Amino acid sequence: EVQLVESGGGVVRPGGSLRLSCAASGFTFDDHGMNWVRQAPGRGLEWVSGINWNGDNTDYADSVKGRFTISRDNAKKALYLQMNSLRVEDTAFYYCARVRMATIEGAFDIWGQGTMVTVSS
Amino acid sequence: DIQMTQSPSSLSASVGDRVTITCQASQDINNYLNWYQQKPGKAPNLLIYDASNLETGVPSRFSGSGSGTQFTFTISSLRPEDVGTYYCQQYDDLPPYTFGQGTKVEIK
Repeated sequence: EVQLVESGGGVVRPGGSLRLSCAASGFTFDDHGMNWVRQAPGRGLEWVSGINWNGDNTDYADSVKGRFTISRDNAKKALYLQMNSLRVEDTAFYYCARVRMATIEGAFDIWGQGTMVTVSS
Repeated sequence: DIQMTQSPSSLSASVGDRVTITCQASQDINNYLNWYQQKPGKAPNLLIYDASNLETGVPSRFSGSGSGTQFTFTISSLRPEDVGTYYCQQYDDLPPYTFGQGTKVEIK
């Protein structure tokens, strides 16, 4: 079964750090670009960051640039999001999503179930 | 950044009705437009990619059309299981790969 499973969410104070992980199974991981998308409670979807198939190309939303770092380990079939200097406005469900192609951009055809990040003092 | 204006923000329709949602891009995005369905408490699900291509396994009552700056998503005959929020997303050229604000679909 093609599957993405996120982990690493939790409650953190403003200024703190968290590292999200996304474990892939059921498909050839390095055939696909990957992205992180977040959704604040009761709000819409916001694209956060993306990485191409081999990790040599990454993109970030302006709202997280310089604070978040996306990476991948194709041997472990895993995607990561290192989140530093967290702000209250980063509170959201974070989804990892597979791209149909090897690039960052495209249709996100497989999504994980999401992991909740709460930034609160 | 490319802005995506989706309308309406919500709608209520009867089972069997034809439902149409529109998405307007702030600049030409060719056909780089996807549509997703999100049911309450669940992750989004890809329905349409590249403006008009039906994702594998998605019922044929869903369809998309358009190019450039104007796009349309249609449910030809609304079913109870179609309740949820629908989002368009553009991926033309440079990031951010913005989503529309969503359309909440309910049964009347």
